[in-house]
Amino acid sequence: DTEVTQTPKHLVMGMTNKKSLKCEQHMGHRAMYWYKQKAKKPPELMFVYSYEKLSINESVPSRFSPECPNSSLLNLHLHALQPEDSALYLCASSRATGAGGYNEQFFGPGTRLTVL
Amino acid sequence: SQQGEEDPQALSIQEGENATMNCSYKTSINNLQWYRQNSGRGLVHLILIRSNEREKHSGRLRVTLDTSKKSSSLLITASRAADTASYFCATQAGTALIFGKGTTLSVSS
Repeated sequence: DTEVTQTPKHLVMGMTNKKSLKCEQHMGHRAMYWYKQKAKKPPELMFVYSYEKLSINESVPSRFSPECPNSSLLNLHLHALQPEDSALYLCASSRATGAGGYNEQFFGPGTRLTVL
Repeated sequence: SQQGEEDPQALSIQEGENATMNCSYKTSINNLQWYRQNSGRGLVHLILIRSNEREKHSGRLRVTLDTSKKSSSLLITASRAADTASYFCATQAGTALIFGKGTTLSVSS
């Protein structure tokens, strides 16, 4: 299984809602990532988990809260978002986070989030 | 933060032609990777070239890396309509990948 799955595919939420994005991989990867991508822009890294521990938080606002319940699952909890948070949210995984040439990342299809 | 800059931003070619995209970056790297993205969906890893490599091939793809000029190029030979997508270079120096702005390739039949 070389697939990263993400649910839901689309999400529309109000600014007062609480919702969660889910990501799953069964490749035995020990690093998982959340990216945010606005239209016609490159992905921007939000969080990195390595061996289920948060290793990088790219100064993301606290209204985004990541969680890694186990080595296969990654969640992104959303609360009190703003309309400018509307974007494609991508999850990715890799074997490890080391820079020794093993950081090929496998991406999920993304969740298209719209905040009203 | 953004590291790579792709050139050109957009490229339109006919099927069968070759497409060349360039990427420049600013800091030292361990490896450089190229990804493809179709219509705002997930990215697909195409090829990884390590900092001590100069050229790498994978099928119709050829990637070069010049660390002295801090630049890389991606060549797609004999392009097909299915190659229509956005292409991003991504550099890795530490843990994170940093993506360039991307090149949008359109291949018409």
